[in-house]
Amino acid sequence: SAVISQKPSRDICQRGTSLTIQCQVDSQVTMMFWYRQQPGQSLTLIATANQGSEATYESGFVIDKFPISRPNLTFSTLTVSNMSPEDSSIYLCSVVGRTSGGSEQYFGPGTRLTVT
Amino acid sequence: DQQVKQNSPSLSVQEGRISILNCDYTNSMFDYFLWYKKYPAEGPTFLISISSIKDKNEDGRFTVFLNKSAKHLSLHIVPSQPGDSAVYFCAAHTGTYKYIFGTGTRLKVLA
Repeated sequence: SAVISQKPSRDICQRGTSLTIQCQVDSQVTMMFWYRQQPGQSLTLIATANQGSEATYESGFVIDKFPISRPNLTFSTLTVSNMSPEDSSIYLCSVVGRTSGGSEQYFGPGTRLTVT
Repeated sequence: DQQVKQNSPSLSVQEGRISILNCDYTNSMFDYFLWYKKYPAEGPTFLISISSIKDKNEDGRFTVFLNKSAKHLSLHIVPSQPGDSAVYFCAAHTGTYKYIFGTGTRLKVLA
């Protein structure tokens, strides 16, 4: 499975500011995903980050709020823009890997964001 | 609309006994199901999966059962160990990589 790192691991930010989260993978991958886990909630897919093209956003998520970059096959960033307390969540990136049983997503350690 | 539900937010089990975690889903188009384990301050770790064409998949101490008619899957851990204490998420998808996750069940294995 791929080794995935995220920076920062956590941050406390003031409302109205923006934070960029980095995701680094130790191998080249075609598809990378960004998820959000709000307190007490399930993981929700924000968008699929595609190398060489714009990200594909899920319903309820827009590019102006969550701009994503994917400059190469091992790296992606997610920016949380104009933050409000409702953006306090754990943000996770994931990639598709292969096991003997099939293809599954593997997750980074997450970035815990608190907006005050 | 929560398509994947884990109705038990927490579960406590004695070490050595069986842990059974349950998951229900509503979308009959789901054809692949997964279980993830999550420790604090870490990302979810893939545990085991099952295709909709099967009703059971086993990997060591972990077995996943799928009952398509009831739209229900369960994860059995036997014997349970203290290191199994974590939050367990079930997830499902329809053949794409858009996973739908449940809200998780916190398992505590008591020594």
